[in-house]
Amino acid sequence: EVHLLESGGGLIQPGGSLRLSCAVSGFTFSDYAMIWVRQAPGQGLQWVSVISGNGDNPYYTDSVKGRCTVSRDNFQNTVYLQMNSLRVDDTGVYYCAKGGSPERPDDAFDFWGQGTTVTVSS
Amino acid sequence: QAGLTQPPSVSKGLRQTATLTCTGNSNNVGNQGAVWLQQRQGLPPKLLSYRNNNRPSGISERFSASRSGNTASLTITGLQFEDEADYYCAAWDSSLSGWVFGGGTKATVL
Repeated sequence: EVHLLESGGGLIQPGGSLRLSCAVSGFTFSDYAMIWVRQAPGQGLQWVSVISGNGDNPYYTDSVKGRCTVSRDNFQNTVYLQMNSLRVDDTGVYYCAKGGSPERPDDAFDFWGQGTTVTVSS
Repeated sequence: QAGLTQPPSVSKGLRQTATLTCTGNSNNVGNQGAVWLQQRQGLPPKLLSYRNNNRPSGISERFSASRSGNTASLTITGLQFEDEADYYCAAWDSSLSGWVFGGGTKATVL
């Protein structure tokens, strides 16, 4: 059974930093890209970042470029999102989701975690 | 980054059919199709359709996805009250090298 469990959220002041984690089990982690998606309160889903299975190809949405770094540990089956210079508009629930693989590129978003809440406020 | 376009809401009667649309361009929807997600209040999103229009295991046949050009569609037949939720589409954008989401459609069953 596939499980994704995010952690690391919390209340942080503007300008601060957080590292989100997403621990994964139930599939061959290193084969699949991993995706971060966030949802501001009362708003829709917004893609944040994606990292390939081997970690070589990270991509970011424009609003977090230069402030966030995605990484993964394929021995610990965990993906991370390091968030720096946090802003009020970074507030929201952050989800990790399973991506596709080179062999199964269409398998994106088939499993999600429960999310972790980030609140940026003074 | 420009997103995909979804109507904000749709309302249909019980057991009726609703068709939700998602419009992008040739770099995203028109290129590799779109996924469809359902999000009920307070819960994480759930995949309803892969971007090849196949349903994941366990998803009702009442949900079917298709694409024509740059527009993807999700058809829900035999609407049930449990189908009341927000529905999102998403597609990989080859020009942006990132995923783009639609703004979501809130489905109400009357």
